[in-house]
Amino acid sequence: QQPVQSPQAVILREGEDAVINCSSSKALYSVHWYRQKHGEAPVFLMILLKGGEQKGHEKISASFNEKKQQSSLYLTASQLSYSGTYFCGVAAIIQGAQKLVFGQGTRLTINP
Amino acid sequence: NAGVTQTPKFQVLKTGQSMTLQCAQDMNHEYMSWYRQDPGMGLRLIHYSVGAGITDQGEVPNGYNVSRSTTEDFPLRLLSAAPSQTSVYFCASSYSKGTTYEQYFGPGTRLTVT
Repeated sequence: QQPVQSPQAVILREGEDAVINCSSSKALYSVHWYRQKHGEAPVFLMILLKGGEQKGHEKISASFNEKKQQSSLYLTASQLSYSGTYFCGVAAIIQGAQKLVFGQGTRLTINP
Repeated sequence: NAGVTQTPKFQVLKTGQSMTLQCAQDMNHEYMSWYRQDPGMGLRLIHYSVGAGITDQGEVPNGYNVSRSTTEDFPLRLLSAAPSQTSVYFCASSYSKGTTYEQYFGPGTRLTVT
């Protein structure tokens, strides 16, 4: 029931762009994106709601295709501080209740 | 505001022992949840609560109990620890209906069961 993220890992040079994808087998009510640095707690980046509303963050953007049950996170002109593991969380009906479940994560490494 | 706090930060248990992981938030959030994080598995939902007195199961509830007697506190109880419960545990809270609002995560508890 976990959403599937791709790629599992990506290595970039500073200034390059990255796209992280998240797909679910269930109808989605919202998609969350979080970033986690090693040894720290996940930190909120963005929420995309059904119907198009977004609650966003800085220079990071995302899309939400409700029909395809997919979301993509776009990191442009990446900075060293973007390194970390990115998680998507999807809100779906599971066992009769709306729950937020996370993908397995995408590890992003930015090199100078 | 302290945000979401968790205690202890580290814990080692022997198989069969029980313990309670503490979680508290001072933001008056209705929604609270517990996740476990294992390498390559991401964050998996254990239990969650939409308000005081109301709890429900997540993806991996077996072996864990929760209760929510106050808005602020949401403890997680391990009934009889097993090595498979070795993990990092995160508590999170959200203003309301955790699926449409930002989740605030605590610093985590690293649990080792031997």
